Amino acid sequence: AQKVTQAQTEISVVEKEDVTLDCVYETRDTTYYLFWYKQPPSGELVFLIRRNSFDEQNEISGRYSWNFQKSTSSFNFTITASQVVDSAVYFCALSEARGGGTYKYIFGTGTRLKVLA
Amino acid sequence: DTGVSQDPRHKITKRGQNVTFRCDPISEHNRLYWYRQTLGQGPEFLTYFQNEAQLEKSRLLSDRFSAERPKGSFSTLEIQRTEQGDSAMYLCASSPPEMEKETQYFGPGTRLLVL
Repeated sequence: AQKVTQAQTEISVVEKEDVTLDCVYETRDTTYYLFWYKQPPSGELVFLIRRNSFDEQNEISGRYSWNFQKSTSSFNFTITASQVVDSAVYFCALSEARGGGTYKYIFGTGTRLKVLA
Repeated sequence: DTGVSQDPRHKITKRGQNVTFRCDPISEHNRLYWYRQTLGQGPEFLTYFQNEAQLEKSRLLSDRFSAERPKGSFSTLEIQRTEQGDSAMYLCASSPPEMEKETQYFGPGTRLLVL
């Protein structure tokens, strides 16, 4: 069965600190996709990144970076120089591949990030 | 681009009443998904449409729940004889047909409270 574990329930940091959100997944599939979403207080899930299982390159987008390691089944998310606007709940999700595309997502329980001014 | 829209945004109902939610996906997205999110949890998959065909339903979707997507455009999710345990955020997502762009984009959700 597929499973996503986000062990950190809540993290508080002071503005400008770096913070890493952990994500560990389980799947028997050889082809799968991993995602990170941000859910601000308004409630809408905002897509941040998609990574497929064959692409282990780390990615950087501005202050955001992602570290994908198949050997440890982890897909961690780092925010550099955090800002108050980064305060939200962050979800990691896993999808098996079907018909060449993704399918239903399995979400972790989320990590609530609080960035204090 | 217009994103996924959901209506209503909030719904309060009494136990035993029926409710219906609507989701309008991003235009030309042929895949549509419904999820349910309870407090402190991640979204849980309910059902999936490809065009007008409902291809999978979760065990979470009891016989009181029904979803439709007539003509492969908007979708509705109906809950009959609501129970207090149905209180949750109901999220809709859509994704494009192109495999390389396969990512689910979520709407703002409908928050249901059953009294």
